[in-house]
Amino acid sequence: GAVVSQHPSWVICKSGTSVKIECRSLDFQATTMFWYRQFPKQSLMLMATSNEGSKATYEQGVEKDKFLINHASLTLSTLTVTSAHPEDSSFYICSARGTSFIHEQYFGPGTRLTVT
Amino acid sequence: DQQVKQNSPSLSVQEGRISILNCDYTNSMFDYFLWYKKYPAEGPTFLISISSIKDKNEDGRFTVFLNKSAKHLSLHIVPSQPGDSAVYFCAASESKLIFGQGTTLQVKP
Repeated sequence: GAVVSQHPSWVICKSGTSVKIECRSLDFQATTMFWYRQFPKQSLMLMATSNEGSKATYEQGVEKDKFLINHASLTLSTLTVTSAHPEDSSFYICSARGTSFIHEQYFGPGTRLTVT
Repeated sequence: DQQVKQNSPSLSVQEGRISILNCDYTNSMFDYFLWYKKYPAEGPTFLISISSIKDKNEDGRFTVFLNKSAKHLSLHIVPSQPGDSAVYFCAASESKLIFGQGTTLQVKP
């Protein structure tokens, strides 16, 4: 159990375009979802926390107008990178936490974004 | 300010031997800790966790030890297998997870 999927697994887009990444909890209801970014050879950087039906809470330094997060249901959260630039190229990972496990987060497989 | 630290960036162990990965934390209010394993270009996989009311939790080849007075936890993998080669992250749980920097484990055949 506790499976989280992400789509797409990789995407290439041109500068100035927007990209949407989906995160789904497949076998549990995710009351809270998290979005992370990982730079090469570095730890995971939390970008934002979203609770179903509420606005996301962004970490310091993360532009909320650039990284739009929607958590419309208990099984789906989306991250939209708006007006993407090459510096947004990164590995984006989501995680989800459910009501039956208040501490453990289960992670998706990640999405590799390349902006050309 | 790094609240969760993994001071060893890498560890190399022979197959069949014990791997010990260490983690220190600074906030004595942390009451739940987790270990994750991560392969390149994949999301982390939950391995094992421990509550601060315990000092040990075991699951198969994985055992986590918690020393609250030293604010230290460790993950023991025994016996180590080549498939265990990955980056291991410890994390403290608050409203969010606070990750250490990770330790790259290499298990040599």
